[in-house]
Amino acid sequence: DAEITQSPRHKITETGRQVTLACHQTWNHNNMFWYRQDLGHGLRLIHYSYGVHDTNKGEVSDGYSVSRSNTEDLPLTLESAASSQTSVYFCASSYDRDRGLYEQYFGPGTRLTVT
Amino acid sequence: SQQGEEDPQALSIQEGENATMNCSYKTSINNLQWYRQNSGRGLVHLILIRSNEREKHSGRLRVTLDTSKKSSSLLITASRAADTASYFCATDAEYGNEKLTFGTGTRLTIIP
Repeated sequence: DAEITQSPRHKITETGRQVTLACHQTWNHNNMFWYRQDLGHGLRLIHYSYGVHDTNKGEVSDGYSVSRSNTEDLPLTLESAASSQTSVYFCASSYDRDRGLYEQYFGPGTRLTVT
Repeated sequence: SQQGEEDPQALSIQEGENATMNCSYKTSINNLQWYRQNSGRGLVHLILIRSNEREKHSGRLRVTLDTSKKSSSLLITASRAADTASYFCATDAEYGNEKLTFGTGTRLTIIP
């Protein structure tokens, strides 16, 4: 069955370190998204991609970067982790809108703690 | 900034009762979706309503949309313990733009 996975599921890191969170989907979706979820803020969009080599900034992109070298993966990198980046991170993917399908499929999340 | 705001923030009801939660948004939309999130899990899509629709049903779910008031409601009938979760509305504001903007969610607790 097609799925979307994230790794690691839990990560503790120190301030200033570079951290990469992995996201892999086997839906063959062109669109992929990264969100962070914090109490009182719901889900906020960090970066998104509409296809290979395409990346775009979301609402809260400062301190984060992504790259899309293939259809299946969109890794999220925290260049220099800060305590404010302690959060739960979700990856999601979706079909192109021209298929008439709009829902996003979410991964299980990565809980990141920056100490 | 949040496009959608859910109301109430938290809701507790007895099993078997109906649960209603509301979502308000700020700008024109193409579609509005509702998602469920069980504790510690990713979000799961429940239902989508298009901007030219006023009501939609799916099993025990009923969604309404009032574009003049920029609001939507999600009704879960005959609630079950398994419905305990957080519920989020999400909107896409621009045609051709695949992004969704999520609200802050309603935490629903079903009391057995």
